[in-house]
Amino acid sequence: EVQLVESGGGLVQPGGSLRLSCAASGFTFSSYWMSWVRQAPGKGLEWVANIKQDGSEKYYVDSVKGRFTISRDNAKNSLYLQMNSLRAEDTAVYYCARDRRVRGFDYWGQGTLVTVSS
Amino acid sequence: QSVLTQPPSASGTPGQRVTISCSGSSSNIGSNTVNWYQQLPGTAPKLLIYSNNQRPSGVPDRFSGSKSGTSASLAISGLQSEDEADYYCAAWDDSLNGPWVFGGGTKLTVL
Repeated sequence: EVQLVESGGGLVQPGGSLRLSCAASGFTFSSYWMSWVRQAPGKGLEWVANIKQDGSEKYYVDSVKGRFTISRDNAKNSLYLQMNSLRAEDTAVYYCARDRRVRGFDYWGQGTLVTVSS
Repeated sequence: QSVLTQPPSASGTPGQRVTISCSGSSSNIGSNTVNWYQQLPGTAPKLLIYSNNQRPSGVPDRFSGSKSGTSASLAISGLQSEDEADYYCAAWDDSLNGPWVFGGGTKLTVL
């Protein structure tokens, strides 16, 4: 059974940093692109970043470029999102998702809440 | 404001057929396939339709998708109470904003 479990969310002050993790199981993690997608409270979905199987390609939505860094450790079946210079508008539930490219995000984690507030 | 445009709400009675539209541009829907997601209250999104009209294993055939030009639609036939959820369209975008863009979501109410 495919499972994605996020962790690392919490309350952080504006300008602070946080590192999210996503533990994957039930599939060959190193064979798939992976993405982070977020959802602000009461709002819609927003794709944040994705990373190729070997980490050689990474893409970001404009609003997080230069502040967020996506990475992965295939030996640990884990996906990460390092978030720096956090802003109030980054407050959201962050989901990790298996990225099948044009076939969509076929598995999602349960999400982890990040709250940026003073 | 989302790159893809969906109606904020839709409704229907049990047994009815409802459709949800998704409008984009030549850089996303016009040149790439569309996926649809269902998000039940308090849960993570679930892939409902991929590549315009393909259903993942386990998705009932009451759900169908189509695409024409720069627009796409999700149709739900034989509406059931458990279909009450938020529905999102998504597409790959060839512009600098990409690669993935979502619609703003449509809240479906079963009356």
